[in-house]
Amino acid sequence: DAGVIQSPRHEVTEMGQEVTLRCKPISGHNSLFWYRQTMMRGLELLIYFNNNVPIDDSGMPEDRFSAKMPNASFSTLKIQPSEPRDSAVYFCASSPTGSGANVLTFGAGSRLTVL
Amino acid sequence: AQSVTQLDSHVSVSEGTPVLLRCNYSSSYSPSLFWYVQHPNKGLQLLLKYTSAATLVKGINGFEAEFKKSETSFHLTKPSAHMSDAAEYFCVVSSGYSTLTFGKGTMLLVSP
Repeated sequence: DAGVIQSPRHEVTEMGQEVTLRCKPISGHNSLFWYRQTMMRGLELLIYFNNNVPIDDSGMPEDRFSAKMPNASFSTLKIQPSEPRDSAVYFCASSPTGSGANVLTFGAGSRLTVL
Repeated sequence: AQSVTQLDSHVSVSEGTPVLLRCNYSSSYSPSLFWYVQHPNKGLQLLLKYTSAATLVKGINGFEAEFKKSETSFHLTKPSAHMSDAAEYFCVVSSGYSTLTFGKGTMLLVSP
């Protein structure tokens, strides 16, 4: 398996622009998570899906952030409009259901810089 | 409610000496506990996990951790550090099927 695949790996954009981050989870994993990592706040859970349904989005900072999971093999995290304080590394992770449900496999991350 | 505290933000060791990364947790229920490692510019990778079986858990790359309920601790150890161990380490707690709570991380520095 290729693992969790995220794109783009790096994104540099200007304030006000729309940013879309993409994630392909491991095949057969039913849960998908979006995390944000910054030096100041560490790792923060933004949202997670189970069987393509958003379960908890309480970590989404504000209405500028939205996430979708149209099918079991694809998810997006969108920021519109972007702001400099959104600069961070965004990680996608997936996990199977059952006894291994809490073991997350992380993607390599998308490093976002908003100028 | 659950929380995790990593007691050191940075730990420095010399190659070949033991490693100790400290973690305390708080959980209302029987917890699952994990250690993840993050090498520079990489995603997080599972080192080991505890899920109420043996209290001494062995992970990859020679790391192990001991669950001590009386001390609410889950410290990570390795007998002999290697240069390739230099990375950031995260202690993580989960109760039941709740989402994971990550610690702030401990940066391990290994000098020759």
